[in-house]
Amino acid sequence: SQQGEEDPQALSIQEGENATMNCSYKTSINNLQWYRQNSGRGLVHLILIRSNEREKHSGRLRVTLDTSKKSSSLLITASRAADTASYFCATDPEAAGNKLTFGGGTRVLVKP
Amino acid sequence: GAVVSQHPSWVICKSGTSVKIECRSLDFQATTMFWYRQFPKQSLMLMATSNEGSKATYEQGVEKDKFLINHASLTLSTLTVTSAHPEDSSFYICSARDTSGGWETQYFGPGTRLLVL
Repeated sequence: SQQGEEDPQALSIQEGENATMNCSYKTSINNLQWYRQNSGRGLVHLILIRSNEREKHSGRLRVTLDTSKKSSSLLITASRAADTASYFCATDPEAAGNKLTFGGGTRVLVKP
Repeated sequence: GAVVSQHPSWVICKSGTSVKIECRSLDFQATTMFWYRQFPKQSLMLMATSNEGSKATYEQGVEKDKFLINHASLTLSTLTVTSAHPEDSSFYICSARDTSGGWETQYFGPGTRLLVL
């Protein structure tokens, strides 16, 4: 079963706006990772945040992690049409032998 | 960054035939690879963990005799869908963990789209 739940399931914004999506999980984790998937393609690793970290930045991406609430958020600032994709969080649970468990994903549409 | 390739990128086959999908880590060695399947507009579901030199570990509900996995070398894992049926049509994605550097990061292949007629 999936460890993570993501919301919203879908998001439609105008170019230039920020996009925020959230991920919740159930068990203790080693780290949480965010991936992007363009339609019909493979996954691209965006960012990894460890369980002892609270916030991480990479370019226009900002990820937060709250282990007390078992939740994470991904913020894409100043979105571009090329950011249109599905975004997945994946947890690396402590007790799962480093097997990633994916959330349901958020489909983001950035309108030009 | 590390590159993982899959071959073929898409395949159409008749019901009852077997299909082999290859997953290769191109510039690093991977003792562990993972196989996922993804249905349209859904998330990735882990099918099995492929271990070099030993048997694969399958997730609950995944038939090991249906989905044969062979991790023949440190850079190659294969998934064979045996006696494929239309319900096996899906997007199959492999990933490999690069243990030499950022061991926590998995690198994903571009996926293989299987359509069983």
